[in-house]
Amino acid sequence: NAGVTQTPKFQVLKTGQSMTLQCAQDMNHNSMYWYRQDPGMGLRLIYYSASEGTTDKGEVPNGYNVSRLNKREFSLRLESAAPSQTSVYFCASRWSDTGNEKLFFGSGTQLSVL
Amino acid sequence: DQQVKQNSPSLSVQEGRISILNCDYTNSMFDYFLWYKKYPAEGPTFLISISSIKDKNEDGRFTVFLNKSAKHLSLHIVPSQPGDSAVYFCAASGYSGYSTLTFGKGTMLLVSP
Repeated sequence: NAGVTQTPKFQVLKTGQSMTLQCAQDMNHNSMYWYRQDPGMGLRLIYYSASEGTTDKGEVPNGYNVSRLNKREFSLRLESAAPSQTSVYFCASRWSDTGNEKLFFGSGTQLSVL
Repeated sequence: DQQVKQNSPSLSVQEGRISILNCDYTNSMFDYFLWYKKYPAEGPTFLISISSIKDKNEDGRFTVFLNKSAKHLSLHIVPSQPGDSAVYFCAASGYSGYSTLTFGKGTMLLVSP
């Protein structure tokens, strides 16, 4: 029962390099999300995908792009990494029922941009 | 402008006592609230939730109280255990038509033996 799987767990980039963070969920959820966590800032939404084929900006989308490859996979791309993007990144998928919802999170990717 | 506020960055409690974590929100359109727990080097995990049609929800040692008029919710942990030491995030949803969660900055709870 894998849930939400993120790769890689750790990554160090130089300023200007690009990379893609991968995320996959096996719970057949329609909606998926990318958050970043910074000290003292909590969890901030970068992008989300309400369903396969759709993506929308969250609170802090600048410098990122996303792709909802299929129902299972939602990737986050940094085209030209900047030190301000040093953070811990979490992917999540959403379960909902009448009157109830919750997000299931992956274990995170710790990214350092030098 | 922070819509979900957790004004206490940290809280220390002795084992066996009650832990009370507080959360305030500003957006009156929020109608569903959740608490998440996060250990270091792990993703947040769902703890408990409450809908705005209720004022209390219990799950074992965890109880969430909602005061809609004050736009305030609190998480009570009784009795507190050392394994409860973690960062607790309050989250809210419901204002955007499509549900995205807005998180507070978190409160680090330390339960000492």
